[in-house]
Amino acid sequence: GAVVSQHPSWVICKSGTSVKIECRSLDFQATTMFWYRQFPKQSLMLMATSNEGSKATYEQGVEKDKFLINHASLTLSTLTVTSAHPEDSSFYICSARLAGIYEQYFGPGTRLTVT
Amino acid sequence: QKEVEQDPGPLSVPEGAIVSLNCTYSNSAFQYFMWYRQYSRKGPELLMYTYSSGNKEDGRFTAQVDKSSKYISLFIRDSQPSDSATYLCAPATGYGNKLVFGAGTILRVKS
Repeated sequence: GAVVSQHPSWVICKSGTSVKIECRSLDFQATTMFWYRQFPKQSLMLMATSNEGSKATYEQGVEKDKFLINHASLTLSTLTVTSAHPEDSSFYICSARLAGIYEQYFGPGTRLTVT
Repeated sequence: QKEVEQDPGPLSVPEGAIVSLNCTYSNSAFQYFMWYRQYSRKGPELLMYTYSSGNKEDGRFTAQVDKSSKYISLFIRDSQPSDSATYLCAPATGYGNKLVFGAGTILRVKS
């Protein structure tokens, strides 16, 4: 149980275009979802926290107009990278949490390459 | 100074060895200490967590926290090739609060 999927697993896009990444909790309802970014050989950095039906809370230094997060249902959250640039190339990982449960269940990640 | 520091490794050990993985941290408000395992190109999975100081054992894994020296450890007994992964420590200031991840230590267990 507690499986989180992400789609796509790998995406290449051209500079200036937008990319949408989906995060789904497959066998549970996730009241809270998190989006992280991981650069090579670096820590996972929390980008934002989203609760179903509410606006996402962004970490300091993360541009909310560039990284659009939508958590429209208890099983789906999306991250849209708008006007992507090569410096946005990274590994994006989502996690999901049940109400009242501390543990976060992580997705397999999406590798974004912007050319 | 980073809030959480980990030696990136790689740490290479023979099968069956006892492995010691360590983190130091600077924020004295951290109360919960998580250890995650991350295989290549996969998301992290929670191994175990401890609250405040002390030890916690789960099978071949033992987590240890020394808050006085801001030092946390994960010991793996009888290491197996399947333990080869990146191990991330991730403390938090409270239950449900933001996790602060270390950069991870790469472990390679050779058969």
